[in-house]
Amino acid sequence: AQSVTQPDIHITVSEGASLELRCNYSYGATPYLFWYVQSPGQGLQLLLKYFSGDTLVQGIKGFEAEFKRSQSSFNLRKPSVHWSDAAEYFCAVGAGGGSQGNLIFGKGTKLSVKP
Amino acid sequence: KAGVTQTPRYLIKTRGQQVTLSCSPISGHRSVSWYQQTPGQGLQFLFEYFSETQRNKGNFPGRFSGRQFSNSRSEMNVSTLELGDSALYLCASSLGAGDDNEQFFGPGTRLTVL
Repeated sequence: AQSVTQPDIHITVSEGASLELRCNYSYGATPYLFWYVQSPGQGLQLLLKYFSGDTLVQGIKGFEAEFKRSQSSFNLRKPSVHWSDAAEYFCAVGAGGGSQGNLIFGKGTKLSVKP
Repeated sequence: KAGVTQTPRYLIKTRGQQVTLSCSPISGHRSVSWYQQTPGQGLQFLFEYFSETQRNKGNFPGRFSGRQFSNSRSEMNVSTLELGDSALYLCASSLGAGDDNEQFFGPGTRLTVL
């Protein structure tokens, strides 16, 4: 069965420091992979997605992620974190069936940013 | 363009009651999905609708049901509420149902069951 693991429940980084959030997935075929961000009291916003092709994908707000098939990973990175990046981040894999409407999410990583 | 709208935003019910949540997708979007978010289980897929047809269903009991209307608006219903149904219910819409259709999420409905 497909699954997504985000090993870090909570991460704290200093403003201006680099960030890497980890995501590992379990999926039999080529996965569709996504990163979403959720601010308190808000819905989810798509940061970036990987379907195929270049394994380094660029997203909004200066985020990027790299798909590594050999490691079953899709880690999210940002070179310099801003205080406004404090939020919860979710990695997800498409459950198949040719639709983005059925996603399997990881448990999320909460990011805190120190001034 | 208005985003995904969910009503009500907050709801308090008691065990045994039933509840109906509403989702209005972005204008022109024909696909709607529902997710339940709880601290313990995280985000879990409930169902997906496209053009009034249920395309996919998650692993939830039959007390959870949904439907989509001809104008793409969707409702989900939970009957015989249990304490464990307390959650944030998120709706997402997309233009179509293919792989390349980005989902846009609403702010959610916070359901509390007492």
